[in-house]
Amino acid sequence: DQQVKQNSPSLSVQEGRISILNCDYTNSMFDYFLWYKKYPAEGPTFLISISSIKDKNEDGRFTVFLNKSAKHLSLHIVPSQPGDSAVYFCAASSYGGSQGNLIFGKGTKLSVKP
Amino acid sequence: EADIYQTPRYLVIGTGKKITLECSQTMGHDKMYWYQQDPGMELHLIHYSYGVNSTEKGDLSSESTVSRIRTEHFPLTLESARPSHTSQYLCASQSPIAGETDTQYFGPGTRLTVL
Repeated sequence: DQQVKQNSPSLSVQEGRISILNCDYTNSMFDYFLWYKKYPAEGPTFLISISSIKDKNEDGRFTVFLNKSAKHLSLHIVPSQPGDSAVYFCAASSYGGSQGNLIFGKGTKLSVKP
Repeated sequence: EADIYQTPRYLVIGTGKKITLECSQTMGHDKMYWYQQDPGMELHLIHYSYGVNSTEKGDLSSESTVSRIRTEHFPLTLESARPSHTSQYLCASQSPIAGETDTQYFGPGTRLTVL
């Protein structure tokens, strides 16, 4: 049973517009969430994270929102650029519970069109 | 960001061969991980280590083995490769910096194809 779900396998956005990638989780013990970006034939690159004590974290064009009551988080990219085209993975962990091991979603492939 | 290296980047090999995938990091991180990922699927944890002489199996059963004799080195070995082992193998190490305790940094991966 998947504990971290990314229900949209793909998303297409026009350059300059906002990209919103969504992630849902089922384990209420998760207290740390991360987003990774992955290009084909490369390893995932860490983008941004958020602790469960916050509901928003911002880093440049990237903002992650956390809604604990809905067990939902989202990654906003504004403005989207063609170089943002990649697969985005959501990950979660329960520090002190599962020794910090990350549980990943299946990823969402983002395509940003010029 | 961690400097973490994997070799080879690509490997095509015949069934029955023994292979070792190399992973090394220069940041002195104690925690290291191996993941397996197929296209369109999530990353599955197959092995992890919390330090020298520590190795544990992950959530996904794997016929591979690992060793951790040195902090910086975490190789993965397949004694007899099979086509079902065809996948991308990703190595990661974890930052011990307070405030980002669970952030893992990944190497470039090894794309393994077993014929």
